[in-house]
Amino acid sequence: QSALTQPRSVSGSPGQSVTISCTGTNSDVGGYNFVSWYQHHPGKAPKLLISDVTKRPSGVSDRFSGSKSADTASLTISGLQAEDEADYYCWSFAGSDTWVFGGGTKLTVL
Amino acid sequence: QLQLQESGPGLVRPSETLSLTCTVSTGSITNSRYFWAWIRQSPGKGLQWIGTFHSRGTTFYNPALKGRVTLSIDTSNSQFSLKLSAVTAADTAVYYCATHYDHILHDWGQGTLVTVSA
Repeated sequence: QSALTQPRSVSGSPGQSVTISCTGTNSDVGGYNFVSWYQHHPGKAPKLLISDVTKRPSGVSDRFSGSKSADTASLTISGLQAEDEADYYCWSFAGSDTWVFGGGTKLTVL
Repeated sequence: QLQLQESGPGLVRPSETLSLTCTVSTGSITNSRYFWAWIRQSPGKGLQWIGTFHSRGTTFYNPALKGRVTLSIDTSNSQFSLKLSAVTAADTAVYYCATHYDHILHDWGQGTLVTVSA
């Protein structure tokens, strides 16, 4: 069970949009619509941003959106704000009652 | 939204067993909808799912850790626990507990740092 592949870092200026990719295989990301995204500020509890590829829980800003194409899921953050600077992780069902995280992406707001 | 809090020794010696507890302070630990998960983050690395279990006994493990992990629940104290045996320095991490259902990790604890060192 290998970690899903995410870019180690992305950056953007306030107001811009950034997209974070999460690449797996047809045994995980590509095989199920059970991809979720988490925001993690160091020292704090991770926070659910997106579930089931595209669903945004109540209370999460609509600046966060999710999508998927084949074996790659993506998180897009629009209208970047300083508070968005954090680590972002994808998480996917991988079959056989297992789940796997992505390696994590550090977002820097310039 | 459930409130979760991890607790346990911050230092464990190599080859010994790491034991952590997660206390659920709101909601019912016996709610049949909830599964309970452990996740960790080693220094400088990403999150790693350790395992998930249900109060009725269903248990799922990360294959990389299976064999060393024991998950259990104490409903009388609204707690669920993780035991990780034969630890090495590679098990040094911040350990999180979380609710896990519908393929989603919903509510998380703040995490607790466990260092493996002699």
